[in-house]
Amino acid sequence: DAKTTQPTSMDCAEGRAANLPCNHSTISGNEYVYWYRQIHSQGPQYIIHGLKNNETNEMASLIITEDRKSSTLILPHATLRDTAVYYCIVRLRPIKAAGNKLTFGGGTRVLVKP
Amino acid sequence: KAGVTQTPRYLIKTRGQQVTLSCSPISGHRSVSWYQQTPGQGLQFLFEYFSETQRNKGNFPGRFSGRQFSNSRSEMNVSTLELGDSALYLCASSLVWGNEQYFGPGTRLTVT
Repeated sequence: DAKTTQPTSMDCAEGRAANLPCNHSTISGNEYVYWYRQIHSQGPQYIIHGLKNNETNEMASLIITEDRKSSTLILPHATLRDTAVYYCIVRLRPIKAAGNKLTFGGGTRVLVKP
Repeated sequence: KAGVTQTPRYLIKTRGQQVTLSCSPISGHRSVSWYQQTPGQGLQFLFEYFSETQRNKGNFPGRFSGRQFSNSRSEMNVSTLELGDSALYLCASSLVWGNEQYFGPGTRLTVT
């Protein structure tokens, strides 16, 4: 699985958009970008994933650059409950050979402030 | 639909003992993965089970083992506990080739 680089921490104002960057310059053509988050004392939570097109769901938007070497997770209106560690993971789609293994990096510690 | 459940939630053991942790996946999910989380090493993959077979394994010593039952419930066992095994052990379940993995609340193991 390709390695990812994320800022260690960032602050965000409540009600504003939070833009979380992730670099994955060694990503291969069949690898997807996944985002998970972990709120304190809880298990990680799936947020969103994508291959090359921008994706949006009820939680967030994922913007992947055209060369796929980086991506940005956008939380449109951050709330205090969005305070968490956010993990960007690059991996093969869970096909038979790849299984469901996730390789977590250090993530970005996001603090949403009132 | 009920989420992933893990038992027990907290556990204190002594060095040299063994421990068994249990995970019940979401109904219909047949893949179960285990992770260890420590402040120093972060989240690390232990192993994954599907249809009672281990199909992926992380870089952990043989003291760490697991199994999956026909109802998809899974257990992991750590023998000859060491202080460094103190961690939060997380279980995740998903569909066979699911994009989303659903994590349980974890079992916090303390080895003294």
